[in-house]
Amino acid sequence: AQKVTQAQTEISVVEKEDVTLDCVYETRDTTYYLFWYKQPPSGELVFLIRRNSFDEQNEISGRYSWNFQKSTSSFNFTITASQVVDSAVYFCALSENNAGNMLTFGGGTRLMVKP
Amino acid sequence: DAGVIQSPRHEVTEMGQEVTLRCKPISGHNSLFWYRQTMMRGLELLIYFNNNVPIDDSGMPEDRFSAKMPNASFSTLKIQPSEPRDSAVYFCASTPDRTYEQFFGPGTRLTVL
Repeated sequence: AQKVTQAQTEISVVEKEDVTLDCVYETRDTTYYLFWYKQPPSGELVFLIRRNSFDEQNEISGRYSWNFQKSTSSFNFTITASQVVDSAVYFCALSENNAGNMLTFGGGTRLMVKP
Repeated sequence: DAGVIQSPRHEVTEMGQEVTLRCKPISGHNSLFWYRQTMMRGLELLIYFNNNVPIDDSGMPEDRFSAKMPNASFSTLKIQPSEPRDSAVYFCASTPDRTYEQFFGPGTRLTVL
C-alpha cells in the first residue's frame, strides 16, 4: 500500500521568510514517482515538480527547491523568501509503478504568507 | 492548448436527482482520471481510464456512481441518485503517460441539497 503523509496541516509565515513543507511517503516499490502540486485559493491544481525514484538530485527552480532523500523516504519542498502569492494548499503525491501509476495524495499543507 | 476542460463549473441540485459531470482531456493524452476533493477525505481517486478503457474503479464510492469514456476526447461521471454527502469538488485530470504529471481541470463544485 502506498501512503503519503504531510504532517503540517497549516503553516503561517511572514513575507520573505523561508518555509519548508514536509512530505514523507511509504512504498514497497522500487520504481515510483513523487510530485508536488499547488492549489491556490482559486481552486485549480497546478503541477510543480515530478521526481522519479532513481533521481535523488535536489532541484531548484527560482525560489522553489526540493530535497528528495530516499534514506528517509522524504520529499520536502522549500520556498525561499516567501511571498503573499505563495499562499495556497500544497499537495505531495506518490505514484507507484506496481499500482498502475495512480496518484495518491497527501492531506495537503495550507501555507499562509502574511504581508 | 486549452487544457483539461470540465463542465459545469458549478452544479447545485436536489437530493435524488441525477448529476452528470463532463470532462474533455488534453488532446493526445491517453490516460484520464476522476478525483473527488472534500474537507474530510482530501483528494481521492475515483476511477482511471487508459485508452478509453476503465482500468481501476476501486475508488468509486458505490453503485450510484458511474463513469464512461466513449472516445478519447470525452468522459462523463454520473451520480444517480445524488445525495448530500456527494457534495464535493470533482476534478478530471489527464496525462500523456501514466508516469508523467497529471494535468488537472478547473473542477466542478457540486452541491446536493
